[in-house]
Amino acid sequence: AQSVSQHNHHVILSEAASLELGCNYSYGGTVNLFWYVQYPGQHLQLLLKYFSGDPLVKGIKGFEAEFIKSKFSFNLRKPSVQWSDTAEYFCAVKRANGQNFVFGPGTRLSVLP
Amino acid sequence: NAGVTQTPKFQVLKTGQSMTLQCAQDMNHNSMYWYRQDPGMGLRLIYYSASEGTTDKGEVPNGYNVSRLNKREFSLRLESAAPSQTSVYFCASSVGPYNTEAFFGQGTRLTVV
Repeated sequence: AQSVSQHNHHVILSEAASLELGCNYSYGGTVNLFWYVQYPGQHLQLLLKYFSGDPLVKGIKGFEAEFIKSKFSFNLRKPSVQWSDTAEYFCAVKRANGQNFVFGPGTRLSVLP
Repeated sequence: NAGVTQTPKFQVLKTGQSMTLQCAQDMNHNSMYWYRQDPGMGLRLIYYSASEGTTDKGEVPNGYNVSRLNKREFSLRLESAAPSQTSVYFCASSVGPYNTEAFFGQGTRLTVV
């Protein structure tokens, strides 16, 4: 079965620190990749997505992610985090011939002012 | 644009009671999904509907039923609620099976006592 793992359960950073959240998936075929963010008490919102082409994708709010096919990874990065980035971040994968999105367990990010 | 609308937002049920969670999308999407979110487990798929008239089980379907009433609406029913079904439920939709992202509703926080 396909699975998605996220390296960190809880990350605590100070404002202006750099962020990298790891995501790995187990499926070897063609995939769509996503990062979603969930602010406290809110629904999931799309940060960025990868379908094909340039493996470095840019999303909203200064986030970017790099798809490394050989490592089955799609890590999320931001050069300088803000207090408002405090949220839970979910990596998700969709197979080319699959019908549904498979989510990782999430990484909670706390940014200290 | 309303996007994906879920009702109710909050619900408390007694063990053994039944209820239906409603979901409607106004984006003319073909695929719709029901997920449950539990701490540390990310989002797990309960049921999905790839297109109007079809439904399929996801990862955790036991204790639930669904109805794809039309292209817009996809409801989730708990026939006999159990405390293990205490969770936050999210409905989502996407244009189709691939190269599309999922759009999420605001969620329903359900407590079964």
